Amino acid sequence: EVQLVESGGGLVQPGRSLRLSCEASGFSFNDYTMHWVRQAPGKGLEWVSGISWNSGSIGYADSVKGRFIISRDNAKNSLYLHINSLKVEDTAFYYCAKDIPLDSWGQGTLVTVSS
Amino acid sequence: EIVLTQSPATLSLSPGERATLSCRASRSVNDYLAWYQQKPGQAPRLLIYDASNRATGIPARFSGSGSGTDFTLTISNLEPEDFAVYYCQQRSDWFKFTFGPGTKVDIK
Repeated sequence: EVQLVESGGGLVQPGRSLRLSCEASGFSFNDYTMHWVRQAPGKGLEWVSGISWNSGSIGYADSVKGRFIISRDNAKNSLYLHINSLKVEDTAFYYCAKDIPLDSWGQGTLVTVSS
Repeated sequence: EIVLTQSPATLSLSPGERATLSCRASRSVNDYLAWYQQKPGQAPRLLIYDASNRATGIPARFSGSGSGTDFTLTISNLEPEDFAVYYCQQRSDWFKFTFGPGTKVDIK
């Protein structure tokens, strides 16, 4: 059974940094493109970033380019999202998801940016 | 960036009725269009991929159609568990995988 478990969210002040993690199990992690998708409370879904199986191809939504860094460690079956210079508008649930289309999702981790 | 628009924003129906949801792309996405269902407090779930293919375990009452810029998700006989928000997403623009704003299907 595919499992994706996000962690690293919490309450953070504007301007600070945060690293989110996603631990994967139940599938061959190093065979799949992985993604981060976020959802502000009460709002719709926004694809944030994706990374190919070997980290050779990476993409970001225009809204986060330059502040977000996606990475992965295939030896640890883990996906990461480093968020710099956090803004209030980054407040959201952050989901990791497998492949494209996004066929498996974690339960999300909530990032709240507030002073 | 490919912009997806969904209509209607809200669809009020009764169990047993047919739901027809629309997704329109600002330019052709070929058939690289997926549909997701999200219930309150839950992560989204993949329903349909590549416009018309049901994902694993998805009931046959869910069907997708369309290509190019116009797509439809049909739920043929609404069950109580189908009342949720539905999003479309395109994967034509690689690593610019935009979502539509969603359609909420609620109980009339």
